Amino acid sequence: QVQLQQWGAGLLKPSETLSLTCAVYDGSFSGYYWSWIRQSPGKGLEWIGEINHSGSTNYNPSLESRLTISVAMSKNQFSLDLSSVTAADTAVYYCARGRTTVTHDVFDIWGQGTMVTVSP
Amino acid sequence: DIVMTQSPDSLAVSLGERATINCKSSQTILYHSNKKNYLGWYQQKPGQPPKLLIYWASTRESGVPDRFSGSGSGTDFTLTINNLQAGDVAVYYCQQYYYSPITFGQGTRLEIK
Repeated sequence: QVQLQQWGAGLLKPSETLSLTCAVYDGSFSGYYWSWIRQSPGKGLEWIGEINHSGSTNYNPSLESRLTISVAMSKNQFSLDLSSVTAADTAVYYCARGRTTVTHDVFDIWGQGTMVTVSP
Repeated sequence: DIVMTQSPDSLAVSLGERATINCKSSQTILYHSNKKNYLGWYQQKPGQPPKLLIYWASTRESGVPDRFSGSGSGTDFTLTINNLQAGDVAVYYCQQYYYSPITFGQGTRLEIK
């Protein structure tokens, strides 16, 4: 049973960089697309972007200028960096797996979520 | 971006009855070449991540009870929950994956009457 375990800093000040990592356990890492999704009371569920094992990425244009998603294939991990955060970036951040090997899919496996708060 | 609009925002249904949630996309998400609608449904309970229920608008994910069914095509879709049980209390979301960026509906809160 594939499991995703995510971690990262939960409290940031404005202008800092949000960094989260997600590790994939007990399953194949290659062949799938791995996404970051966030959820805030104001904006609901928002897809941030995705990456596959070879480092091919697709980003949400609304965040692309501040966003880097990277992969560490040897560790079965992928990471999210979002720079210059503001209060609008306060949300629960999830990592998730695309259900099949194609880009842009539904998400069948999710991490537990990380609450990230941006406050002065 | 494709806007996904769910209705109603909330509903209360009696145990054993049927719940119906609607989702409308701002553009068609039917790909004519494979005749598939790129629409998924999720269930989210408090403190948990969303759980995939349905993809391709009507295909149940493995392990999802057949009380849950999806229908619709093009721009209009429905999630139906038959024989409502207490454990079905949750927020339900639709998601389109035809266009980039992927987008979600605002959610429908389902409660027991």
